[in-house]
Amino acid sequence: GQQLNQSPQSMFIQEGEDVSMNCTSSSIFNTWLWYKQDPGEGPVLLIALYKAGELTSNGRLTAQFGITRKDSFLNISASIPSDVGIYFCAGQIVMDSNYQLIWGAGTKLIIKP
Amino acid sequence: NAGVTQTPKFRVLKTGQSMTLLCAQDMNHEYMYWYRQDPGMGLRLIHYSVGEGTTAKGEVPDGYNVSRLKKQNFLLGLESAAPSQTSVYFCASSYSGLHTQYFGPGTRLTVL
Repeated sequence: GQQLNQSPQSMFIQEGEDVSMNCTSSSIFNTWLWYKQDPGEGPVLLIALYKAGELTSNGRLTAQFGITRKDSFLNISASIPSDVGIYFCAGQIVMDSNYQLIWGAGTKLIIKP
Repeated sequence: NAGVTQTPKFRVLKTGQSMTLLCAQDMNHEYMYWYRQDPGMGLRLIHYSVGEGTTAKGEVPDGYNVSRLKKQNFLLGLESAAPSQTSVYFCASSYSGLHTQYFGPGTRLTVL
């Protein structure tokens, strides 16, 4: 089936550092989404990207939809303790005439004390 | 406005037992989804529904059944639980297939 390769699997950073993570695929997607999951909660949408090359910001978060439509990255600037969690990318495809999401395995962000 | 709620939050089953997970949404969304989340893997779609009375198979449907008798509810059933179904189950809903999916808090299921 379709797969998204998300990296890195985990990141240990100091508070205040910038963070970068990305997703790649051999398939083309119509839409790229970035979600965050806090412990014990469901994922929450952070940023949605709809056009190849699109660069979108949401506060300290910036994400880009790759030109080839096969990749996307998410940057977090000046990390703070509440940024801890698991970040997922998801690509939207049409399957059986319906839109579905294919998910990356997640990047776990840990902030070193 | 509660959003998406899931019942129960935790459950332990023995192999062969059956159970039903309930998902409810109060946003009048047409689409509802059931995912499972396993360590080191992304969310995988089990079944979904594009409207009341409809259901469709996702990526990993085997061993599960679903029903959408009311627009606001989406039920996930395990007829004969197996240890391989130990997972965290998430329900989500969206206005349409193109719109944002909103997730419930999850149900942690352990099958012994």
